[in-house]
Amino acid sequence: AQSVTQLDSQVPVFEEAPVELRCNYSSSVSVYLFWYVQYPNQGLQLLLKYLSGSTLVKGINGFEAEFNKSQTSFHLRKPSVHISDTAEYFCAVARGATGGGNKLTFGTGTQLKVEL
Amino acid sequence: EAGVTQSPTHLIKTRGQQATLRCSPISGHTSVYWYQQALGLGLQFLLWYDEGEERNRGNFPPRFSGRQFPNYSSELNVNALELEDSALYLCASSLVVGHYTFGSGTRLTVV
Repeated sequence: AQSVTQLDSQVPVFEEAPVELRCNYSSSVSVYLFWYVQYPNQGLQLLLKYLSGSTLVKGINGFEAEFNKSQTSFHLRKPSVHISDTAEYFCAVARGATGGGNKLTFGTGTQLKVEL
Repeated sequence: EAGVTQSPTHLIKTRGQQATLRCSPISGHTSVYWYQQALGLGLQFLLWYDEGEERNRGNFPPRFSGRQFPNYSSELNVNALELEDSALYLCASSLVVGHYTFGSGTRLTVV
C-alpha cells in the first residue's frame, strides 16, 4: 500500500516570499505523485503531477515540484507567493500503471497562509 | 467540456436517515472514485467504481455503499446516518491511470 506524509500542517509566509511545502511518500512499487489545492468550500484542483520523465514538474499558478526517488519526496515550491495562494494543499500518491488499483491516497494537507 | 458534477451541493439529514449523493463523471470517463473529507480527518478513500463494478473499497462500514450506472454516473448511499458522517463528499472521475478530475462536492450535515 502507498502512504503520504505531509509534516507541516500549517505554513505561514509573507507575500512575495518563497515557499516550500513538504511531501514524503512510501511505496514498494512505482508511483504517480500529485499536488492538489483546495480553496474554502470548494473541491480539489490539480496543481501538477509526476507520472514519468523529467523529475522537475511545472504546474499552474507558478508552482513546481521535484520528484526525488532516493529521498521518496515530492516537495512543492513557489518562488514568490501571492495572497491568493492562501489555501489548503494536498499531496497524493497513486500506484503506477503496473496493474492493480490506482486510487489516490492523500496526505493530511498543509494550510498555506500568505500574509501581507 | 463539462466537468465532474455532484448533486446536491448541500444535504441536511437527521441521524438514522439515509442519504443519497450523486456524481456525473466527465463524458467518456469510466472510473468514479468517492472520498470523504471530514473535519480534521483529511481525505479518506471510500469507493472506486469502474465499468459498473466496485473495484476497491476503503475502510468504511457496510452502511456506506454505492453503484455505478451504465452511463458511468454513480450514487453513494449512506444508511443509518450518524453524526460523524457529517463531511464533504468528493467524487472524482478518470479514464486512464494518473488522470483524475474532482467535482465540487456534496456537503452532508447530519443533525
